[in-house]
Amino acid sequence: GENVEQHPSTLSVQEGDSAVIKCTYSDSASNYFPWYKQELGKGPQLIIDIRSNVGEKKDQRIAVTLNKTAKHFSLHITETQPEDSAVYFCAASMKTGGFKTIFGAGTRLFVKA
Amino acid sequence: NAGVTQTPKFQVLKTGQSMTLQCAQDMNHNSMYWYRQDPGMGLRLIYYSASEGTTDKGEVPNGYNVSRLNKREFSLRLESAAPSQTSVYFCASSEPPSGGPVTTDNEQFFGPGTRLTVL
Repeated sequence: GENVEQHPSTLSVQEGDSAVIKCTYSDSASNYFPWYKQELGKGPQLIIDIRSNVGEKKDQRIAVTLNKTAKHFSLHITETQPEDSAVYFCAASMKTGGFKTIFGAGTRLFVKA
Repeated sequence: NAGVTQTPKFQVLKTGQSMTLQCAQDMNHNSMYWYRQDPGMGLRLIYYSASEGTTDKGEVPNGYNVSRLNKREFSLRLESAAPSQTSVYFCASSEPPSGGPVTTDNEQFFGPGTRLTVL
């Protein structure tokens, strides 16, 4: 069945360094790719998203790139700060013939001060 | 604006017991969802409701039922709880992008979750 693979499962960086999380998806009909951040004891919260008609999107220190041909997308966080420490989830979504959102397994990011 | 609220926050059940998880949103969203989150598996969709009056199965619907009571409220029921249903349950809501195609999703707003343990 359809799936989203996310790597790495754990990432540890020094404050100020960059962090990159990568995801691949299997359903070529997917057209919406959100990234969520989940802090301990809370529900996930959207940090950035990208649609299939766009290759790259940036919001301050966060950027996402999408390669539809290769069916992969990546999250880039620059100048990381301790408050960036959390679990990050990618997802691939489509609503043709029903609704389907498939989440990756998550990446636990540690930013060391 | 409370966003998405869920009750209860924690629940312990014995195998075979039933319970209903409640979810409400005050953002006037049409679509609502129920997910379960298990370690190392991300979030998996149990059921969703694209609009008031409709519900559909997601990825892992077995053992669950849902009710879209009105536009605000979407409940998840476990008729006979099993240890395999021990998980954290999240409710979410969303609205299609304004003026966008109906075949695309949009940001989902999540509740704080319900941690359920089935003994």
